[in-house]
Amino acid sequence: EVELVQSGAEVKKPGESLKISCKGSGYSFSDYWIAWVRQMPGKGPEWMGIIYPGDSDTRYSPSFEGQVTFSADKSINTAYLQWSSLQASDTAIYYCARHVEGVPVDHNWFDPWGQGTLVTVSS
Amino acid sequence: DIQMTQSPSSLSASVGDTVTISCRASQNIRRYLNWYQQKPGKAPKVLIYAASRLQSGVPSRFSGSGSGTEFTLIISSLQPEDFGTYYCQQSYSNPRTFGPGTKVDIK
Repeated sequence: EVELVQSGAEVKKPGESLKISCKGSGYSFSDYWIAWVRQMPGKGPEWMGIIYPGDSDTRYSPSFEGQVTFSADKSINTAYLQWSSLQASDTAIYYCARHVEGVPVDHNWFDPWGQGTLVTVSS
Repeated sequence: DIQMTQSPSSLSASVGDTVTISCRASQNIRRYLNWYQQKPGKAPKVLIYAASRLQSGVPSRFSGSGSGTEFTLIISSLQPEDFGTYYCQQSYSNPRTFGPGTKVDIK
């Protein structure tokens, strides 16, 4: 079974750093892009960007570039999302999702998704 | 960025009803459109990709259509387990963008 399992909920103060993880299993982790998606309370999902664990190539959404960093360790099938200085506005659920490309050619979608990591930033 | 809009924002329907959800893109995205279902406290799950292709394991009462800028998700014979919020998402270009969602309640 293809599965992504994320690290647990975090409560942090403004200005603190944080790194959350997403571990894949049941497929060749290095061969699929991993997307990071933010979902703020009561809102729709927002695509933050993607990372290719095979060579750590990354693509950031302009809205998130410079605010977060993606990384991956293919030896342990794990992708990471990190912040160097959290703000209250970073409070949200963060999902990782496998970026699947299939037929028709060029079409792609997110499947599966991790269970989500709730990040709460509050003083 | 490509903006995605959905209508209605919410609806309430009875078991057995046919439900139609619309999605509009701000520019031509051909058939690069996916639909997801999200239940409270859970991650989204893909239902339809490439506008009309049913994801493996998804019941056939879900169907998608459209191309260009106008798309539709239809749930025929609504079932109690179909409650949740439905999102469209364009896969045409970066940044990928999602619609604001349509919340479906069962009467």
